[in-house]
Amino acid sequence: EAGVAQSPRYKIIEKRQSVAFWCNPISGHATLYWYQQILGQGPKLLIQFQNNGVVDDSQLPKDRFSAERLKGVDSTLKIQPAKLEDSAVYLCASSLDRWRGSSYEQYFGPGTRLTVT
Amino acid sequence: KQEVTQIPAALSVPEGENLVLNCSFTDSAIYNLQWFRQDPGKGLTSLLLIQSSQREQTSGRLNASLDKSSGRSTLYIAASQPGDSATYLCAVLIRGAQKLVFGQGTRLTINP
Repeated sequence: EAGVAQSPRYKIIEKRQSVAFWCNPISGHATLYWYQQILGQGPKLLIQFQNNGVVDDSQLPKDRFSAERLKGVDSTLKIQPAKLEDSAVYLCASSLDRWRGSSYEQYFGPGTRLTVT
Repeated sequence: KQEVTQIPAALSVPEGENLVLNCSFTDSAIYNLQWFRQDPGKGLTSLLLIQSSQREQTSGRLNASLDKSSGRSTLYIAASQPGDSATYLCAVLIRGAQKLVFGQGTRLTINP
């Protein structure tokens, strides 16, 4: 079974530029999550999708961050314009349908390391 | 608001020792608790998942316990090896929201 795929693995941009990250979840996983992990901290949930609908985006800085999950499979996370404090690892995770009574175990991708200079 | 705390923030021990990592959480309304391992520059690898109705889970040299009433979990690593060096994160899944809340992690170094 293929795992969660993310690209790119690394990205360096200047502040005020824009950047986009891509995630492909495990096949059949309806729920997709984007996390931000700042150096030395635990991951923080940015947005959660159930199929192509948003379940929770309460911690997403909506003035600069946006995310979409067209067709309920792949997802993209965009930052525009980037700030220095956006430097972090962006992790994507997926889990089985939340209504099917599973352990809700989340499987994580390798992450994208973003450096904003 | 659920808060997860991990103590210590960093730990360095000689190879072969048994060790315990601690995790505490403020709200007992959880669905499960997971322990993850994170190597430098890598994503998260799930080590153990304990459902809220369970008391412990074991995998090889790892044993995780859960005391939901006191808001605590421990990860026990037996006979530590240099390859165990990594950051260990615990996270609780909030009941109803299916949202993971993470601790800040314990950076473990096993010295040969």
